[in-house]
Amino acid sequence: AQRVTQPEKLLSVFKGAPVELKCNYSYSGSPELFWYVQYSRQRLQLLLRHISRESIKGFTADLNKGETSFHLKKPFAQEEDSAMYYCALSALSGGYNKLIFGAGTRLAVHP
Amino acid sequence: ETGVTQSPTHLIKTRGQQVTLRCSSQSGHNTVSWYQQALGQGPQFIFQYYREEENGRGNFPPRFSGLQFPNYSSELNVNALELDDSALYLCASSTRFRESPLHFGNGTRLTVT
Repeated sequence: AQRVTQPEKLLSVFKGAPVELKCNYSYSGSPELFWYVQYSRQRLQLLLRHISRESIKGFTADLNKGETSFHLKKPFAQEEDSAMYYCALSALSGGYNKLIFGAGTRLAVHP
Repeated sequence: ETGVTQSPTHLIKTRGQQVTLRCSSQSGHNTVSWYQQALGQGPQFIFQYYREEENGRGNFPPRFSGLQFPNYSSELNVNALELDDSALYLCASSTRFRESPLHFGNGTRLTVT
């Protein structure tokens, strides 16, 4: 089965604290994974993708195939990081690919 | 670079009616996907269009149908609306490549009463 699980609906931290948003996936093929973010009153947008191996806004995510995880991390949270975060898996099926999203985690960073 | 635009932003319909939602893709993108996002859930894949043909569909009944036009704009049609169809409908455009990220519109909020 193709599935993305984000176990936390809400993650609440104080400014400057480390953040880890968890994502686990189930997929039989070679996974392509993404993190999308939705800030208040803005559209859903790409934060980062595992293939790029980059750090965006201080966030990083490492694909761990052994644990089938793609957790999103940031060492020091900022108030502007408060948003809804979605982990997504690009699943190949019959010649096309679709994104399978997790239910999302709301990150709240308090001053 | 023109982003993805969707219309209308909000819509209220009655059970049993039909609705058409519209999307204009980002320039340079030839693939459009539609997603349904129920309250408190992540977006769920409805279908995808490439070169004006549906080339992939999620777990949605045939009363959900779509069109893609030569200029890559797209429509989502839903017939015989049900209360459970109330959701945010997102359009996303991309290129054909698997690693290509989706560029989302702001969505259309559909309420079925």
